[in-house]
This record gives sequence, structure tokens and C-alpha cells, in this order.
Amino acid sequence: QSVLTQPPSASGTPGLRVTISCSGSSSNIGSHPVNWYQRLPGTAPKLLIYSNNQRPSGVPDRFSGSKSGTSASLAISGLQSEDEADYYCAAWDDNLSGFFFGAGTKVTVL
Amino acid sequence: QVQLVQSGAEVQKPGASVKVSCKASGYTFTSYYIHWVRQAPGQGLEWMGRINPSDGSTRYAQRFQGRVTVTRDTSTNTVYMELSSLRSEDTALYYCAREMVTTHYFDYWGQGTLVTVSS
Repeated sequence: QSVLTQPPSASGTPGLRVTISCSGSSSNIGSHPVNWYQRLPGTAPKLLIYSNNQRPSGVPDRFSGSKSGTSASLAISGLQSEDEADYYCAAWDDNLSGFFFGAGTKVTVL
Repeated sequence: QVQLVQSGAEVQKPGASVKVSCKASGYTFTSYYIHWVRQAPGQGLEWMGRINPSDGSTRYAQRFQGRVTVTRDTSTNTVYMELSSLRSEDTALYYCAREMVTTHYFDYWGQGTLVTVSS
């Protein structure tokens, strides 16, 4: 059972919006910023969103993040075929003294 | 440009140790932590630990305590991750990644090193 809980899969048709949730607790999401990583097949993970809702340079504004209490979410609007990937949320946990990732959500573009 | 270049694939027997390197370039080595994250086949990402290259201090995930050692060589801007007492479940892709001190996010990642544990 992961410290951070994500749905295993999400899907949508091109152009539509997909949202991925990440649920944690007061010792992780509730106390620390949430980051999101995208892992395209066969490549290393890439930072997609940091500090809950900030986009690194070069990340399209179709990607957005938010956090409320002990949950966070990643939204992909205007879904494109190249968005097919695994998405992971991550945060530090005070009780377990370590970084934890969600189990990942596989996004499929129909 | 920022680069983290890892050593090549390894095949090790159960009970052995493996040492993976991560050579950093394109930035001030001592200004960023280096973390190690792995992904076993069909599994998610798992944080293993990190080192502060400035002073060599380390922090490890509880489940790897006693089995993982992360070191650094400031003369070559290289970080090493050694995992001992290998078992088949340690077969995974191992990544290094950097974090600007206490920002809690990993902005650059190495290309990954496949470690296979097999008799």
C-alpha cells in the first residue's frame, strides 16, 4: 500500500481534459509541497510540476497542478497523443523520513 | 548544460554488491543534493537515499538502511551508490537525480542504469 495513492489509469480523447488525483496524509502532502513527474516509455522521469503548481521552463501550460489539504491533482488539458505516459506524484514524508512516490497513473489517449 | 551520466548496465549474482556511478557536469556540484531512485519491472518509482556533495552527509530510506551506501568524489564530481546483499527483487533501473538543496524536487535525472540480479 503506497503512502501516496493514485489511480492506476486514466484516459481521454485528444483535446479533452484529464485529471489525476494523489491522496496522502498530514505527514506528507499536508506538510510538504507536491511534485509531479512524467515518465515516457523508455526514458528517465521528467519533472513536470514542482511546489504544487509550478511548471519548469519548457513544460507546456496544458499541464497544471493543485493541492488542497492532504490531496493534490494534476490536470492535462487539450490532451495530445504525446501525453501518453506514466505520471507520478511525490512528496517528503515526516513520519517515515523519506521521499515517496505514488504508484503511478498510466494515461492513455484514446 | 546540466548532465548526469550514469555507468553502464550490471549483472550480479545474489548476495553480491553493485556500485553505480553518476557523473555530474554543467553546474556547481556542491550546490545540489544527488538522490537515487529505482524502478523495478512493473513497479513504481522508489526513493533510496541521497547525499549532500558539499559535506558528504547522507540520508537513506528506512527499507534500505544498512544495505545502501552513497558516497561522492568531489575531484571528479561523481556520486556512487553501492547496494549490497543483492537479491532478485533488486533487479531494477537505478536513476540518480539532483535536487537544489531543500527544494524537495528533482529537476534533472540520469539516464538510468539497469542492474540485473541473477544466478
